[in-house]
Amino acid sequence: KAGVTQTPRYLIKTRGQQVTLSCSPISGHRSVSWYQQTPGQGLQFLFEYFSETQRNKGNFPGRFSGRQFSNSRSEMNVSTLELGDSALYLCASSLSEWLSYNEQFFGPGTRLTVL
Amino acid sequence: AQSVTQLGSHVSVSEGALVLLRCNYSSSVPPYLFWYVQYPNQGLQLLLKYTSAATLVKGINGFEAEFKKSETSFHLTKPSAHMSDAAEYFCAVSATGAQKLVFGQGTRLTINP
Repeated sequence: KAGVTQTPRYLIKTRGQQVTLSCSPISGHRSVSWYQQTPGQGLQFLFEYFSETQRNKGNFPGRFSGRQFSNSRSEMNVSTLELGDSALYLCASSLSEWLSYNEQFFGPGTRLTVL
Repeated sequence: AQSVTQLGSHVSVSEGALVLLRCNYSSSVPPYLFWYVQYPNQGLQLLLKYTSAATLVKGINGFEAEFKKSETSFHLTKPSAHMSDAAEYFCAVSATGAQKLVFGQGTRLTINP
């Protein structure tokens, strides 16, 4: 079974631009979560989608948004990029709706550099 | 609210020595606890998880962790370090039913030959 895939793996943008990152979950997984990883702030939860609905949201500005499609694939968008948005963005997928434990399977991440 | 504190941002041990990575958690509800490992330029891989069953949890690659409620700890151990264990390790907590993981700051493990 294929793992979580994220595209692109690397991205370079300039301040003020916007970017869209894509995540394909493991087949059959309906929950997709996004995390931002930076050296200063560590791993921080962005949001989680289940059945095309945002179910949980972290403490990030409105410039960060996401969506999920009917095939469970998810995209996240960052508008008006700032230097501080440079990070590794990780996507994770999970099997169940309300699992007794939240085993999430992570993709390799998209490395975003904002110049 | 949940939080995690990992003691020691960098741990260095000799090959064959005991590995001990410390994690303390704070949770207002019974927690689910996880250890993940991250190798350079890769995503996170689950090492082991505590889900209110056995307090001593065995994971992959010879790692294990013990849940101690009285100490609010979930330390990760491995009896004998291998060079391939060099990586960054993250402890994480989540609440029942929530698909949101709260991570510690991570501990970078270095193995000396």
